[in-house]
Amino acid sequence: ETGVTQTPRHLVMGMTNKKSLKCEQHLGHNAMYWYKQSAKKPLELMFVYSLEERVENNSVPSRFSPECPNSSHLFLHLHTLQPEDSALYLCASSEGQVGSSEKLFFGSGTQLSVL
Amino acid sequence: DQQVKQNSPSLSVQEGRISILNCDYTNSMFDYFLWYKKYPAEGPTFLISISSIKDKNEDGRFTVFLNKSAKHLSLHIVPSQPGDSAVYFCAASERNNDMRFGAGTRLTVKP
Repeated sequence: ETGVTQTPRHLVMGMTNKKSLKCEQHLGHNAMYWYKQSAKKPLELMFVYSLEERVENNSVPSRFSPECPNSSHLFLHLHTLQPEDSALYLCASSEGQVGSSEKLFFGSGTQLSVL
Repeated sequence: DQQVKQNSPSLSVQEGRISILNCDYTNSMFDYFLWYKKYPAEGPTFLISISSIKDKNEDGRFTVFLNKSAKHLSLHIVPSQPGDSAVYFCAASERNNDMRFGAGTRLTVKP
């Protein structure tokens, strides 16, 4: 399998649930990212990991918790979400380290609905 | 603070004609610009990029133009094909900083 894969593709959860999004990259890249895409809005960067170290957290609420156990895997743990958190969550990777002005490779995303 | 703007949410063109997608930015420190294409139920895929030291980059039917003085970027697709129908995102980055995206323009190419 190649590229960046995300699971699940769709997720419906209640506000009291706990769930996790998974991302795996098979490209040998050094940096991984979580982006949020709400309808008709720009992609918003949530978290960045470079060589498994978190380098950026763009003031994301604590109900979103990232985990990067190794350079190929990235998780986003979700708990007590709000309906406004419903969005497409995209994982991406890049070859070099963060800030190296390189293109991103995206997964297909997880469409999240919070009821 | 939206540093990258795509003011046209949608564009419709006839097959065979030119599609021109526009993007404006506010940060003069951006030095690398990209266009991504997104089909429904898929993630964005890289299409073409341009460095700030250039004003044009061409790849087949796709050409990106950069006007630094106007802080304006455009993507030209010629000739347009129905398979080009997708959402196109403009993105820009500044060295040692994260990439900023526009809200996207939905292109529809009619047969």
